[in-house]
Amino acid sequence: SQQGEEDPQALSIQEGENATMNCSYKTSINNLQWYRQNSGRGLVHLILIRSNEREKHSGRLRVTLDTSKKSSSLLITASRAADTASYFCATDVDGTSYGKLTFGQGTILTVHP
Amino acid sequence: DAGVIQSPRHEVTEMGQEVTLRCKPISGHNSLFWYRQTMMRGLELLIYFNNNVPIDDSGMPEDRFSAKMPNASFSTLKIQPSEPRDSAVYFCASSGPGLGWGETQYFGPGTRLLVL
Repeated sequence: SQQGEEDPQALSIQEGENATMNCSYKTSINNLQWYRQNSGRGLVHLILIRSNEREKHSGRLRVTLDTSKKSSSLLITASRAADTASYFCATDVDGTSYGKLTFGQGTILTVHP
Repeated sequence: DAGVIQSPRHEVTEMGQEVTLRCKPISGHNSLFWYRQTMMRGLELLIYFNNNVPIDDSGMPEDRFSAKMPNASFSTLKIQPSEPRDSAVYFCASSGPGLGWGETQYFGPGTRLLVL
């Protein structure tokens, strides 16, 4: 399997509910990032968490990182229809440079009004 | 800042034709990445440059694909000859400046390529 795999592949919820997406990876990392992609658009950076951090918040987003389990989760609280998008985790593999990231397959989130 | 600029946004061509995709990274960024996205294979890194030098082209599918970065503000991805299986959305992204790791990538809007 690949570095950076999201789970679930698809998630469908009602507006106002929380959405949780998970990401697993295989090798040591410097940091892990989450990106969002609206249909037909490029990816947009949401949040970055470094390997020495365990939790990070940004607005309605909460990211956790467990390096012992090589996993991360993205929580979107009080979801809105506008949060409908694909969400990708991306890892910066420890020891590499030049900013290369390895992206997972993504979770498709659908928020119903 | 205008962000990463890609052109054309849409390209429809016939099999066997040459296709050239263009990218202008964000000013001051020193790393540039070309990705291809399809439903079947997801987002694939094709090649990336640092300070205009190709670092890793192991993701380029075959010799029909080539990429150049003649200067810090311009890059091209060329497919010659094109085939229907090259149909995909091609993204350019840039990041930096810095040591490279821990950098956020900024994506362009993509070029949607259809090869008939």
